[in-house]
Amino acid sequence: NAGVTQTPKFRVLKTGQSMTLLCAQDMNHEYMYWYRQDPGMGLRLIHYSVGEGTTAKGEVPDGYNVSRLKKQNFLLGLESAAPSQTSVYFCASSYGQGYQPQHFGDGTRLSIL
Amino acid sequence: KQEVTQIPAALSVPEGENLVLNCSFTDSAIYNLQWFRQDPGKGLTSLLLIQSSQREQTSGRLNASLDKSSGRSTLYIAASQPGDSATYLCAVWDGQNFVFGPGTRLSVLP
Repeated sequence: NAGVTQTPKFRVLKTGQSMTLLCAQDMNHEYMYWYRQDPGMGLRLIHYSVGEGTTAKGEVPDGYNVSRLKKQNFLLGLESAAPSQTSVYFCASSYGQGYQPQHFGDGTRLSIL
Repeated sequence: KQEVTQIPAALSVPEGENLVLNCSFTDSAIYNLQWFRQDPGKGLTSLLLIQSSQREQTSGRLNASLDKSSGRSTLYIAASQPGDSATYLCAVWDGQNFVFGPGTRLSVLP
């Protein structure tokens, strides 16, 4: 049982480049989330999805876009990467929003030079 | 705006000690509170989830309590082991957003 899988695990980008982070879950969860984790700060919600074809903004959505074309996949895109987006990105999923535990992937470490 | 803090930021204890980690939140209007464990280079693992109507939850050597009115939660770890070394985070769900604390980094020395 893979749970939540994130690809890639590491990536280095130059300012202005674009990329997409992939999150896949095999637990048939309706809810999926993208967070960023920065030193000294808690996780902050970027975007989330309450089901296939739906997305919503979280606390820090600027500079990111997301898509949920299939229930098991949640994509996070950076159209024009900036050094401020250097962070560790975590994807999570849950059966119910808020009332059920979230299951996390192992993260993507992204550096923007 | 909800803010979550955790004290201490880091803690080092000898093996076998009982210990308490603290989590505070500024707005008591929460639906639940979760405690997570994060190992270096890994994602978060949910340990305990306390609904707002509950006072505590237990799992093995872990016991989490919740006092909504005072905006506090504690995670009690009994008979600590080196394998408990990790960062422990708490998070509150207010019906719309999850708000995480910065974590407490725990080291249990053999």
